[in-house]
This record gives sequence, C-alpha cells and structure tokens, in this order.
Amino acid sequence: DVKVTQSSRYLVKRTGEKVFLECVQDMDHENMFWYRQDPGLGLRLIYFSYDVKMKEKGDIPEGYSVSREKKERFSLILESASTNQTSMYLCASSTPTSRKNIQYFGAGTRLSVL
Amino acid sequence: LAKTTQPISMDSYEGQEVNITCSHNNIATNDYITWYQQFPSQGPRFIIQGYKTKVKNEVASLFIPADRKSSTLSLPRVSLSDTAVYYCLPRDSGTYKYIFGTGTRLKVLA
Repeated sequence: DVKVTQSSRYLVKRTGEKVFLECVQDMDHENMFWYRQDPGLGLRLIYFSYDVKMKEKGDIPEGYSVSREKKERFSLILESASTNQTSMYLCASSTPTSRKNIQYFGAGTRLSVL
Repeated sequence: LAKTTQPISMDSYEGQEVNITCSHNNIATNDYITWYQQFPSQGPRFIIQGYKTKVKNEVASLFIPADRKSSTLSLPRVSLSDTAVYYCLPRDSGTYKYIFGTGTRLKVLA
C-alpha cells in the first residue's frame, strides 16, 4: 500500500513566521504535489515536482516555495505566514505514467495562522 | 485552460443508484479521467479511472462518451458510508496540469 505521510495533522502559527510542511512518500514516486483545500473552492494546486530538485508552479504559488532534495520528501514553505494562508494542505504523490496517473494523498495538515 | 463543472451537492437515500456527472473541456487527449472520494479530515482517495466508454470496478462504474467532454460516476446502491465529496480529475490539454473542481458533496440519507 502506498503511504504518504504529512508530518503534522494540525499546526498553529503566528503571522510572519516561517512555516515548513513536510511530506514523505514510501513508494519511490517521481511526482509529488502540494494542494490547499478551502471550503467552496475545492483543491487548488500550489506546486508540483516531477523529480528531485525539480519544481513547477501550480495555480496559486504566490506566498509559497517548495524544496525537493530527496525523492521521497517534498516540503512546502511559507516564507512569512499570513492569515489568508489558513487552510487545509494536502500532499500527494504519483508515478510518472502520464496516461493513467493516480495520485495518492496524505491525510492533510490543517494550518491556522493567527 | 481546462475547467471542471460538477453539481455542488446531491442527496440520495440508501439503496439508490447515484450518478454524478462532471463536465470538462480542453482536457488532454490521451489521458485517463480519474475520480476521487474524500471523507472529512482525510485526503482524497482513488475510486476509478477511465478513458472512453464504460469501466467498472467493485465500488463504482464510470461512463465517458466518445467526445470525452464529460464523465459520469455511478455508485450502485449507496449506503450511509458513501457520504463524501467526489471529485473528477482530468488534465488540461495545454498546460498538462491536473484540474480539480469544487467536487460534489453527496449525502446519503437513511
């Protein structure tokens, strides 16, 4: 079974703090994704990575950066957290098979920025 | 850019068949369309995927017409445990980015 583990289920941070959200997958997947999920807006892609040290912007990258130093780990960084970044953050991974791509998700991190 | 449109919510009774249709334009020509299910406080999980016509597995069926501008997820004889949000996920033909919609919140009533 594929396992995608997000380091925290709940986080509370203060405005202006630097925040790291960590994600680890154990299936040797090349692709990894970060989404945020807000009521009424569904899932929106922040960044994705298709290989170590590679990254691509998603639909809402502003205010975020990512790091992928090892294949199994993909980190989302909020350089200076703001209240509008309060959200549920979901990490996913998938194989590079493009036609039948299936994404496997972690349980999510609920971040509150005060 | 591809856009997905699904009904925001649906109610059904236990034992009924539920069909959820997702409209999607400008999707990648050769990619499969995938559907996910999400329970509260969990990440989405894969249900089924297909390319054209009809596919079926142990939990659902999926019908995709020849023009691939929509797909319909069919859940036979739903139970209370099928209460969840359902998302279709095609890929945009231009950017090749995956496009999640807002999902359909299905509520199954006893």
